[in-house]
Amino acid sequence: AQKVTQAQTEISVVEKEDVTLDCVYETRDTTYYLFWYKQPPSGELVFLIRRNSFDEQNEISGRYSWNFQKSTSSFNFTITASQVVDSAVYFCALSEAEDSNYQLIWGAGTKLIIKP
Amino acid sequence: SAVISQKPSRDICQRGTSLTIQCQVDSQVTMMFWYRQQPGQSLTLIATANQGSEATYESGFVIDKFPISRPNLTFSTLTVSNMSPEDSSIYLCSVGGTSGTETQYFGPGTRLLVL
Repeated sequence: AQKVTQAQTEISVVEKEDVTLDCVYETRDTTYYLFWYKQPPSGELVFLIRRNSFDEQNEISGRYSWNFQKSTSSFNFTITASQVVDSAVYFCALSEAEDSNYQLIWGAGTKLIIKP
Repeated sequence: SAVISQKPSRDICQRGTSLTIQCQVDSQVTMMFWYRQQPGQSLTLIATANQGSEATYESGFVIDKFPISRPNLTFSTLTVSNMSPEDSSIYLCSVGGTSGTETQYFGPGTRLLVL
């Protein structure tokens, strides 16, 4: 069955440190999509990235980078030189191309606290 | 990406009452989704709302408790009926494309507290 595991419930680091949020997924589909969303204290979910299963290239966007490894079923998210504004709950999610219900499978989320 | 607004942004309600949450999108979208996020938890899909058809509810959610309307391609409502304190959550709407594998974009959410 499909599943997304974010084993880190909460991470606390000091500003300017690098931090990696882990995401491990399970799926039987060969075609699937992985997502990261950010939920700041305001509550809104902000889309960060979408990756399809055929594209294993790492992605970098400013201080954010993502490492997709099919061999370990992982899609980890690294923030370089963290800032207080990065404090939020981060969710990893999975969708499967053959899921007719179009459902996103969500991880439990990782609460990231950046201390000044 | 679409711009999504929700009303109200927050509310405090008495048990036994009902609240209707509105979700407005600035462009036409095929699929709209309603989620519930209980305090400190991840998101749980309540239902999928396609224009012109009945909403499809996930296991554990029923139409009598969470009736949904989808009158056109830019608007949907979710009603939380006969509320109890257990309904205190953030309710979020999201929009997606014609394929469920497309990115979902979320509204700002409605924070509901039931006393």
